[in-house]
Formats: sequence, C-alpha cells, structure tokens
Amino acid sequence: SQTIHQWPATLVQPVGSPLSLECTVEGTSNPNLYWYRQAAGRGLQLLFYSVGIGQISSEVPQNLSASRPQDRQFILSSKKLLLSDSGFYLCAWVANPTVNSPLHFGNGTRLTVT
Amino acid sequence: GNSVTQMEGPVTLSEEAFLTINCTYTATGYPSLFWYVQYPGEGLQLLLKATKADDKGSNKGFEATYRKETTSFHLEKGSVQVSDSAVYFCALSATMRSGGYNKLIFGAGTRLAVHP
Repeated sequence: SQTIHQWPATLVQPVGSPLSLECTVEGTSNPNLYWYRQAAGRGLQLLFYSVGIGQISSEVPQNLSASRPQDRQFILSSKKLLLSDSGFYLCAWVANPTVNSPLHFGNGTRLTVT
Repeated sequence: GNSVTQMEGPVTLSEEAFLTINCTYTATGYPSLFWYVQYPGEGLQLLLKATKADDKGSNKGFEATYRKETTSFHLEKGSVQVSDSAVYFCALSATMRSGGYNKLIFGAGTRLAVHP
C-alpha cells in the first residue's frame, strides 16, 4: 500500500535561518506531488506542485522553493526564513491525476519562525 | 475563478446532535467536490467525495450531495460523536494552468467541537 512520510513533525527556527522539509512517498511510481501551507486560522494554500523529477511549478511568489531530486521525494526549502513563513506545511500526492482524484496528505510539519 | 466558501466556525454541538456544515463553490466547468477532515495535530484525510451533479458521497455516517443548481456541497451527519471533533475542509478539484492535472482548492475550514 502507498504511504507518505513528512519530517520533521515540528520545527522551531529563528528568522533568517535556512529551512529544509522533506516528503517521501512509498508504494507508487511517478506521482504528482504537492506542498500546501495552512496558516493559523486560515485554509490551505497550494505552494508548489510537481509532475516529475526536476519539474516544479510555483503557484504563488514567496520566500520558499521546492525541489524533486528523486521520483518519490519532494523537498521544501528556504535560504532565509521570515516570520510570515510560520504555518503548518502539508505534502500530498496523487498517482493518476484526473479531476476526480483525491489527494492523499501526510501528517504535516508545524513550523514556527521566531 | 474557482473558489470554495465554508461557514465560519467554530460549530459547537452536544453529542447526538444533527450536524450541517455549509459549503458553496464557484467553478468553471464541472469540478469534483470533496470533504476532508483534519484531527488535531494531523494531516488531512479524505472523508467523502462526489464527482458529478446529484451524486451523494457518504462515509462514517457523514454525507454530502453535489447540488449544481445551488452550487453547494453541504456536509451532514445525523448524530455526532465526541470523536467527530475536528476541522472539516470542503474542496473542489480544478485543472491546473499546465492542463490535465488536478489541483484541490480548499475552503477555510470549519472547526467542529462536540461535547458529551
């Protein structure tokens, strides 16, 4: 069966420090991968999606970047964190994307920038 | 553009009460509609979905009907339990700019608190 792993579960980082969040999917090949952010008291915002190795699309301009070095690995990064980067970051995948396909989410990483 | 609007929370109910969480959407074409649930400290889990008008999605006693005429997908449950306390997200599936790939657009979420 397919599983998705995100780590770390929680992270506290100072302003200006770098960031690296990792997401891996098991049990499937060539999934579409997504990074969403959930800010406090708000809904989910799509940050990045990827349809294959090295292919990254950004939905909104921001202080973050994403990379997909392997088929089932998706990394969210920043060179210098801002206070506004605090939030709950969720990775998601789908194997055969159609308009009817639900996304499957990891357990998320709660990032607090101090 | 595509968007989803949910009723604001929190919704506070007693155990065994009837639940309705309203969701309306704006979309071009014929999106699929989803309800996700987020338990404290966890990611999102798919609760139910409907892929065309008049479809009813159901799971764990929850149900929602895809109403094209009112562009709604309200979530209902006849008798809630304390274990249903969570945040519920309504979402629609839209085609990305690159074409051919699904993207979920979420509402802001509605927190449900059920007390004994």
